[in-house]
Amino acid sequence: GAVVSQHPSRVICKSGTSVKIECRSLDFQATTMFWYRQFPKQSLMLMATSNEGSKATYEQGVEKDKFLINHASLTLSTLTVTSAHPEDSSFYICSASPDTYGYTFGSGTRLTVV
Amino acid sequence: DAKTTQPTSMDCAEGRAANLPCNHSTISGNEYVYWYRQIHSQGPQYIIHGLKNNETNEMASLIITEDRKSSTLILPHATLRDTAVYYCIVMGYNQGGKLIFGQGTELSVKP
Repeated sequence: GAVVSQHPSRVICKSGTSVKIECRSLDFQATTMFWYRQFPKQSLMLMATSNEGSKATYEQGVEKDKFLINHASLTLSTLTVTSAHPEDSSFYICSASPDTYGYTFGSGTRLTVV
Repeated sequence: DAKTTQPTSMDCAEGRAANLPCNHSTISGNEYVYWYRQIHSQGPQYIIHGLKNNETNEMASLIITEDRKSSTLILPHATLRDTAVYYCIVMGYNQGGKLIFGQGTELSVKP
């Protein structure tokens, strides 16, 4: 079945630094990938749509300069949290679809900013 | 905003069927009903989806009412490993693939 790999699974960074999260589709190509954020005890919130070869589309209220998205190939999208602060600590999840039906999610990245 | 309404939580005895309801009264004709679940600290897992006919796969059955305003996900023989948050989502193919998650139903399967 379709697999989406996310790396790292956990990361701790210092306040003010940047951290990059990778999302790879392992056995299919994805022109579009999606990034979500999830705070404890809450649902997933869509942050942005990552488009291969073009700019990402951000949801309302998401700072595009803070959450940089790059989709340089058909199998890789990256999310960089710039100048991270403790309030950016969250569970970040990506997804992609191998066909027009189902969407496969990565296992998520737990970001802790100290 | 999510277009679905689900109970916040439900309990089910191990080995019994778990029936999870979802209301989607404003669903459009071209929108599918998707079900995903999320086990704690993992990414969501696809379960099943349907348009208007009932669907069944190795994980679950999806029953959609004739007017399509509600549906029920059925886990025929719930196990402890089915304890998770279950999300019902409606989405059309012309909506760019954006899955908008509501609050979901927290299902607890008890021995």
